[in-house]
Order: sequence, then C-alpha cells, then structure tokens
Amino acid sequence: DTEVTQTPKHLVMGMTNKKSLKCEQHMGHRAMYWYKQKAKKPPELMFVYSYEKLSINESVPSRFSPECPNSSLLNLHLHALQPEDSALYLCASSRLGQVYGELFFGEGSRLTVL
Amino acid sequence: GIQVEQSPPDLILQEGANSTLRCNFSDSVNNLQWFHQNPWGQLINLFYIPSGTKQNGRLSATTVATERYSLLYISSSQTTDSGVYFCAVAGATNKLIFGTGTLLAVQP
Repeated sequence: DTEVTQTPKHLVMGMTNKKSLKCEQHMGHRAMYWYKQKAKKPPELMFVYSYEKLSINESVPSRFSPECPNSSLLNLHLHALQPEDSALYLCASSRLGQVYGELFFGEGSRLTVL
Repeated sequence: GIQVEQSPPDLILQEGANSTLRCNFSDSVNNLQWFHQNPWGQLINLFYIPSGTKQNGRLSATTVATERYSLLYISSSQTTDSGVYFCAVAGATNKLIFGTGTLLAVQP
C-alpha cells in the first residue's frame, strides 16, 4: 500500500465548477509536491511546499491554488479549469529538510474537465 | 536546464529476459532517481542513486556521475515489470527533471 494517499482517484468537472484534490502522508516528510502528467508524457512539477510554506511555483495558472494546512496534508483547489487541464495529478513527499530528496508518490487523481 | 534522455523509448521482452535501460543527462547532478509507473499510473520509487551501484532483488542500478549516465538493469523480467520507467535528476538548480521514459512491455 502506498503511504501517500490521494483523493479522489477520479474526478470529472465542468469548467465552472470548484473542486479540490487532497493528498495525505504520515511519513513525517516535510516537503510535499504537486505534479501534473499528460498522457504519454513525463510528470511536470507544479508546486513545492517545504515546512508547510510554498517554496516553488512553476508559473502555474491561478486557476490552480495549492494549500498546505499542516505537515501531513496538501490540497490543490481547482476553479474555472479548461479542458486542456485534464490530466493525472500526482502528489509526492520527501524526507525532512530534503527538498527533492527521495520522492514517494501517491496513486494520483485522474481529472477530466468537460 | 539539464536535459535528460532515456533509451530505448520502447522495449518489448519475453518473460524471463534481461534488459538494460539507460539515462543520459547533460550536466552534473546531485540527485538521481529511477521510478516505475505502473499501468494504473502510480509512480514507484525504485532507486535513489546519485552515484554508485545499488541492488534490490531483480533490479539494480548504476550511476556514473562523472560520465553523466545511469543504467537500470532488470533481470528475469516478469509481466508485472511492464510499464514506464522514468529517470529523474536534479542539479544546481535543485529542480527535479524527469526524462522522457522507457515504455516496457513484458510478454508471457
């Protein structure tokens, strides 16, 4: 079983909807990441949180809004998305004080925007 | 930024065969990881190997940082080894870059 848990596994939303993706880890990791992966492409970094603070934003459009309420949780709030935002969204975490240390991924949330 | 190339892009094996996957990178790195993405999309960390050699069961990996490449060896392949294998590296910018991946299909 993965130690990084993502919900929901599948999400279908309209362009005017507001939804959230959730990620949880209990490994004591203090760096957490959101990646986006399109079909047949490698994962692309979106955001990095280190010690619950946003440390990297890879010029992601504001319709994606990350949130790290505590050291175990990471959310990605979605609003006014476009069909081209349909993708697999992956959450990952890494050990204390090691941004880009050994990454552990969740199973992903597959998003479809209609 | 660092360029990461993986070869071969596609590979078909019969069950029981051995294979070698290669990852070339264009600059010095302080972080290199190999991942397996299964058909359901989950990325499994196989090795954290910025240098040296590691083994885990039928899998082993070697990184020669001075020559800017890493190799992943799969021995006695099984159908469950199918999926995409990614190499990911980070250098001075500390940004982890994924390679384009190798799609492996192991046939029974």
